[in-house]
Amino acid sequence: GEDVEQSLFLSVREGDSSVINCTYTDSSSTYLYWYKQEPGAGLQLLTYIFSNMDMKQDQRLTVLLNKKDKHLSLRIADTQTGDSAIYFCAERRGYQKVTFGTGTKLQVIP
Amino acid sequence: GAGVSQSPSNKVTEKGKDVELRCDPISGHTALYWYRQSLGQGLEFLIYFQGNSAPDKSGLPSDRFSAERTGGSVSTLTIQRTQQEDSAVYLCASSQTGPDRNEQFFGPGTRLTVL
Repeated sequence: GEDVEQSLFLSVREGDSSVINCTYTDSSSTYLYWYKQEPGAGLQLLTYIFSNMDMKQDQRLTVLLNKKDKHLSLRIADTQTGDSAIYFCAERRGYQKVTFGTGTKLQVIP
Repeated sequence: GAGVSQSPSNKVTEKGKDVELRCDPISGHTALYWYRQSLGQGLEFLIYFQGNSAPDKSGLPSDRFSAERTGGSVSTLTIQRTQQEDSAVYLCASSQTGPDRNEQFFGPGTRLTVL
């Protein structure tokens, strides 16, 4: 199918790690993205990974890409209350349009 | 301006009326997207413009929805004979096109309420 799938909801305690998972559709995807949407705001690019990479780390964020299983994950270390938001994964194939997942709402419990 | 702008920010209309939503993308961005977001989640793709190519309208939910992009810049999303289920936040995004990451920049959205 053409859907990029994510679980709808994740709840973690402050200080724990969060792992948000995504399954995408096309093994020829070139770029995979994570966007963050804070309450009442638009989406902003959080991080991205090129398809020839397996992992990308950026401070508290770690992106893992398993091309064989078409699985993308975002790990947030030491999750803070300010990380509470909706997280969207997205894929792009070449110059084609970007396809977004349905979003995972992350709730951080103090 | 520096970012993607949308107008109006809020629109309340009566069922059966037509509405027009406007998007001003970032100057020079060849790709423009419209999405709909309901219930604070679920980003639903509506339509995609890429340069002078025919738009990808595969996400439009019915023939009451249409969109134009004039001169490769400003875009208007039109909803005819609005229904209550059209109530949502309508988001516009633009990006460059090419081999790079081509981050999408999103506007603040238009919140549409159909009474």
